[in-house]
Amino acid sequence: GNSVTQMEGPVTLSEEAFLTINCTYTATGYPSLFWYVQYPGEGLQLLLKATKADDKGSNKGFEATYRKETTSFHLEKGSVQVSDSAVYFCALSDQGAGGTSYGKLTFGQGTILTVHP
Amino acid sequence: KAGVTQTPRYLIKTRGQQVTLSCSPISGHRSVSWYQQTPGQGLQFLFEYFSETQRNKGNFPGRFSGRQFSNSRSEMNVSTLELGDSALYLCASSLQGFQETQYFGPGTRLLVL
Repeated sequence: GNSVTQMEGPVTLSEEAFLTINCTYTATGYPSLFWYVQYPGEGLQLLLKATKADDKGSNKGFEATYRKETTSFHLEKGSVQVSDSAVYFCALSDQGAGGTSYGKLTFGQGTILTVHP
Repeated sequence: KAGVTQTPRYLIKTRGQQVTLSCSPISGHRSVSWYQQTPGQGLQFLFEYFSETQRNKGNFPGRFSGRQFSNSRSEMNVSTLELGDSALYLCASSLQGFQETQYFGPGTRLLVL
């Protein structure tokens, strides 16, 4: 079955540091890949996405490139801010046969990011 | 455009009771998915509805059920609540429910005592 593995957290950084959160996946077809962010007490917000190999998703200074050869979708940001402190989830939506993929996102376990001033 | 709304935001129930949670999707979205989020298991897919039909289901017992109305609003029901059902229940909507961005509501936090 499909699965997503994220680097273990929590991750603690100083403001303006470089951020990388690793994400690798296993899927049967050609999935779409997503990064979602969850702030305390809130639901998930889409951060960025990529739908095919070599696509780069970007938003708010965050970037991730869909690497089919390494089945990865690592999240990066050049200079983090205190306001980036949140939980980050990598997710995939697969093509799956027989309707098994309808409406289903498979998530990684989440990475807690804390940024100190 | 209004986002996904969920009611109630918080619930406290006791074991053995049942509960119904409600989700209103973004206008024009016909697919509604439900997820359970817990510290131990993370985010797990419960089921998806499209045009009032359940198209996909996760690995949860039959105590978890749902339905969708003609206006795409959805409800999920949990019967005979167990302590382990304490979780944040998230609803998400999308246009067609296939390899698309899902837009999440704020969730309903359920505590079972």
